[in-house]
Amino acid sequence: NAGVTQTPKFRVLKTGQSMTLLCAQDMNHEYMYWYRQDPGMGLRLIHYSVGEGTTAKGEVPDGYNVSRLKKQNFLLGLESAAPSQTSVYFCASSLQEGRLIYEQYFGPGTRLTVT
Amino acid sequence: GENVEQHPSTLSVQEGDSAVIKCTYSDSASNYFPWYKQELGKGPQLIIDIRSNVGEKKDQRIAVTLNKTAKHFSLHITETQPEDSAVYFCAASMIKAAGNKLTFGGGTRVLVKP
Repeated sequence: NAGVTQTPKFRVLKTGQSMTLLCAQDMNHEYMYWYRQDPGMGLRLIHYSVGEGTTAKGEVPDGYNVSRLKKQNFLLGLESAAPSQTSVYFCASSLQEGRLIYEQYFGPGTRLTVT
Repeated sequence: GENVEQHPSTLSVQEGDSAVIKCTYSDSASNYFPWYKQELGKGPQLIIDIRSNVGEKKDQRIAVTLNKTAKHFSLHITETQPEDSAVYFCAASMIKAAGNKLTFGGGTRVLVKP
């Protein structure tokens, strides 16, 4: 089991460029999440999904879009990157159907710099 | 929405001493309180959690206490070791609410000095 993987690990963008971050999990988890981590602010939820084909907004969704076309993948898109989106992005997954386990499993993160 | 505050932001302890991190939450409907440990360059990893029907939970050298009335919970690490050095996050959630979303505190950087 690879767990939760994220691609890419690092990326530098110029203001206005677009990109997609890919998250994949091989644990058959129903729920998936995208967070951003900034110094002193903990992790803040951007968007989440409770199943294939469904997405919902989290605490800080502006400037981001997501898609969950396959159960194992959750994509985070930045259509027009801004310096304020410089951050470390974490993907997480949780909840195996039929098992009351609420632990979120996190990927290794993507460090994004927008200049 | 839920708001979680965490203190202190940094904590330095001597190896073998105890470390305590405190969190407060705002939403009385929250009923699940996990603690995550993040080592340098890695994603957070769950170390212990507690539900609102329990006041205390222990797992070897770590323990968590919950005071629902005061809406605060704490992480206790005893006999600290250098490998306990990391950033620790508390979080709060409502189990079975849509998405089981977590609201995190700002984190505590713990340094254990040998």
